[in-house]
This record gives sequence, structure tokens and C-alpha cells, in this order.
Amino acid sequence: EAGVTQFPSHSVIEKGQTVTLRCDPISGHDNLYWYRRVMGKEIKFLLHFVKESKQDESGMPNNRFLAERTGGTYSTLKVQPAELEDSGVYFCASSQERTRADTQYFGPGTRLTVL
Amino acid sequence: AQSVTQLGSHVSVSEGALVLLRCNYSSSVPPYLFWYVQYPNQGLQLLLKYTSAATLVKGINGFEAEFKKSETSFHLTKPSAHMSDAAEYFCAVSDRAGNNRKLIWGLGTSLAVNP
Repeated sequence: EAGVTQFPSHSVIEKGQTVTLRCDPISGHDNLYWYRRVMGKEIKFLLHFVKESKQDESGMPNNRFLAERTGGTYSTLKVQPAELEDSGVYFCASSQERTRADTQYFGPGTRLTVL
Repeated sequence: AQSVTQLGSHVSVSEGALVLLRCNYSSSVPPYLFWYVQYPNQGLQLLLKYTSAATLVKGINGFEAEFKKSETSFHLTKPSAHMSDAAEYFCAVSDRAGNNRKLIWGLGTSLAVNP
């Protein structure tokens, strides 16, 4: 079974540009999460999808970030326009969540550098 | 708000020595507790989790963790370190009640294993 995949693995852009990150969850997982780790800080939750619906987007930093999950399969996270403080590693995770404590399975992350 | 504290951002042990990585949580109601590991150039992988019942949880690669309610702790141990254990280790929690499923993370502990 394929794990969670993320594309690209690395992205280097200039301030003001737009970047779109993609996450493909494990097949059959209705729950999809985005997290971010800024250098030197803890991993932080961004948002949670259940199928195509946003269940919790309390962690989204501002309106420059837009997440979508059309059709309840893969998800994209767009940053427009990117700022220097958006640099970090963006992780995607998915889970079945038959119970509250079901494991979240993580992708390898996308390292975003904004210059 | 819930928080997670990992004492020691960097821990160094000799091969064959005991590994002890500390994790404390802040909530008065015990949450679900997780330890994840990130090997170099890989994604986050679940080591073990505590959901209920047995307070001593065994995970993969010989790791185990003990939930101590009185100390609000969930320290990770391994009796004998291997070179392959060199990685970054993250403690995370999620609430047992409410609608959110997000993981709240510690800062992480980088483990070095010396020959």
C-alpha cells in the first residue's frame, strides 16, 4: 500500500511569488491534515479535512494560505503571495479515524524556502 | 491551551547505552499521547501511542514509553541504543474530547548515537 506522498519535495521561490503544494493521502483515508514546521519551532497544525470538507482550519496563519481537497482525494495548499516567514517544512498526514486515536500517517514533507 | 514540553533539544548517547527522551504535557485531562520519529530525509513515523489501558506502551524498534498521570509525563526509553536510532524524536498529544483531531507537538529531540 502506498503511503502519503507530497510534491514537490523542495521548492525555492522569491517573496511575492505563488507556490502550490500537493498531498496525496493513503487510499481510503477520509481525513487529511496539513502541518508546518518553521525552523527552530515546533510542528504546528494548519488544517483538517474530512473528505472534501474543512473540519478545522484554526491553524491557518492568514488568508494568503488556501487549502483545497476537491473530490475528497488529494489536497493542495497554495501560498499566495509568499512571504519570508512562510519558509519551513510542510507536512501532510492522513488517517481513517474509525476512532479518535487512530494514527495519522505522514508524508515526507515539502521544504519551502522563500527568498 | 494544551502544550507539550520535550526536555533537551539534543541528546547524545553511546551505542549500547540507555536512551531516555522526556516528554511532559500540560492538560489536567490526560490526552492521547504519541511518539513519532523522523529519520534523516524521511517523513514522520509513529513509534508508539498511548490511548488507554496499559500505561506501559511498547513500540517499534525496541522503544517503549510509560504514561504517568501523576507526573503528566510520557517519557520514551530504549534499553540499548543502536547507531540506527540516530534521528529526531517528537512527542505529540491530541485531546480525548471535543471536535478537533489535531496533534499538538513538542519541539523535538535530536538523538545522536556515538560509537
